Amino acid sequence: QSVLTQPPSVSAAPGQKVTISCSGSGSNIGNNYVSWYQQLPGRAPTLLIYDHNQRPSGIPDRFSGSWSGTSATLAITGLQTGDEADYYCGAWDSSLSVVLFGGGTKLTVL
Amino acid sequence: DVQLVESGGGLVQPGGSLRLSCAASGFTFDDYAMHWVRQAPGKGLQWVAGITWNGRSTAYADSVKGRFTISRDIGKTSLYLQLNSLRPDDTAFYYCAKSRGSDLKWHFDIWGRGSLVTVSS
Repeated sequence: QSVLTQPPSVSAAPGQKVTISCSGSGSNIGNNYVSWYQQLPGRAPTLLIYDHNQRPSGIPDRFSGSWSGTSATLAITGLQTGDEADYYCGAWDSSLSVVLFGGGTKLTVL
Repeated sequence: DVQLVESGGGLVQPGGSLRLSCAASGFTFDDYAMHWVRQAPGKGLQWVAGITWNGRSTAYADSVKGRFTISRDIGKTSLYLQLNSLRPDDTAFYYCAKSRGSDLKWHFDIWGRGSLVTVSS
């Protein structure tokens, strides 16, 4: 089954900003909410952003999400070394009736 | 505290079977859909299966359809995944995940720590 498309890796220096894109189609991102998950090394994934741009309690506002058409973007500002992790986007696909994940993006804070 | 704890993983031979369990606590289990997501070592997340709040509707990834069965026991607040006809490429950490809502389209707001399934002779 198809996946949502993310860049394999991004990097930036501490204090800077990075963005991670997630590209899909009309049957998934185009018509359903996107969520983002953070997976720290050796840990289970945790929810970072839901409903395109909402943060669960406890997630700092350095993390933000946006959405337009069939693409979504995760932005992280004020990068910290503790942000080094894999980031995944996810969305329901209404045509396939499955949940799709992006391939994941590894963030390196130089 | 809201918590999901998986169990039942282990080493199994190709063609064998295994049953994973996920014990839920800290929330009203029968209000929410539940899912299984797996991650092969060094690879990305792959959704495996989901079940609605009342267990009446299920969905599966193509790669496991016909081999895996998701179920839930509301009385025991537990989620299950029966894995049959296992193949080496089923080797992965299997995560139990709680949906935000009662049907399958919502995001996963709580994840378990995972249970490792290794398929090898």
